[in-house]
Amino acid sequence: DVKVTQSSRYLVKRTGEKVFLECVQDMDHENMFWYRQDPGLGLRLIYFSYDVKMKEKGDIPEGYSVSREKKERFSLILESASTNQTSMYLCASSQQQGLRSPLHFGNGTRLTVT
Amino acid sequence: AQKITQTQPGMFVQEKEAVTLDCTYDTSDPSYGLFWYKQPSSGEMIFLIYQGSYDQQNATEGRYSLNFQKARKSANLVISASQLGDSAMYFCAMRVVMDSSYKLIFGSGTRLLVRP
Repeated sequence: DVKVTQSSRYLVKRTGEKVFLECVQDMDHENMFWYRQDPGLGLRLIYFSYDVKMKEKGDIPEGYSVSREKKERFSLILESASTNQTSMYLCASSQQQGLRSPLHFGNGTRLTVT
Repeated sequence: AQKITQTQPGMFVQEKEAVTLDCTYDTSDPSYGLFWYKQPSSGEMIFLIYQGSYDQQNATEGRYSLNFQKARKSANLVISASQLGDSAMYFCAMRVVMDSSYKLIFGSGTRLLVRP
């Protein structure tokens, strides 16, 4: 089974702090994704990566950056956290690009910015 | 515009009965993939079932089946013989090519509660 591990289940940070959310997958997947989930809005794509050192903006990249130095690890960075970034963050990976390839998700990190 | 619509914010079903969760989609692309995910209170999104736009038969996975009606652009999830453990949020999603990349677009979800 694919395992996608997010380093923290819950995080509380202060406005203006730099925040790192870490995600590791153990199935040698090429593709990794970061989503945020808010009630009534479903999941929205922040950034994704199809290869090491490669990144692409999703639908809501403002205020975020990412890092993929190794194939198994994809980090989401909040350069200066703000209260409107309080949300559930979900990392996912998939084996290949293509319409049929499902995403496999981690357990999520619930971030609160005060 | 590429969009997924789930019109049922919440649903109840009696244990052991079947339930249908609605999903409609909007795309002008002939090629797309449709997925259903389950999200229990633990937070993890669990992949349930997949239907390709060119698949002739409705997808089935155990107690899950997908009622795919292409002309109506609907992809409803049917759960047979509901169990208490089926209580969760359910998300319909569509994978399409956008801006030369494969994107997965989610609906807003349906919360299912199974009554004993």
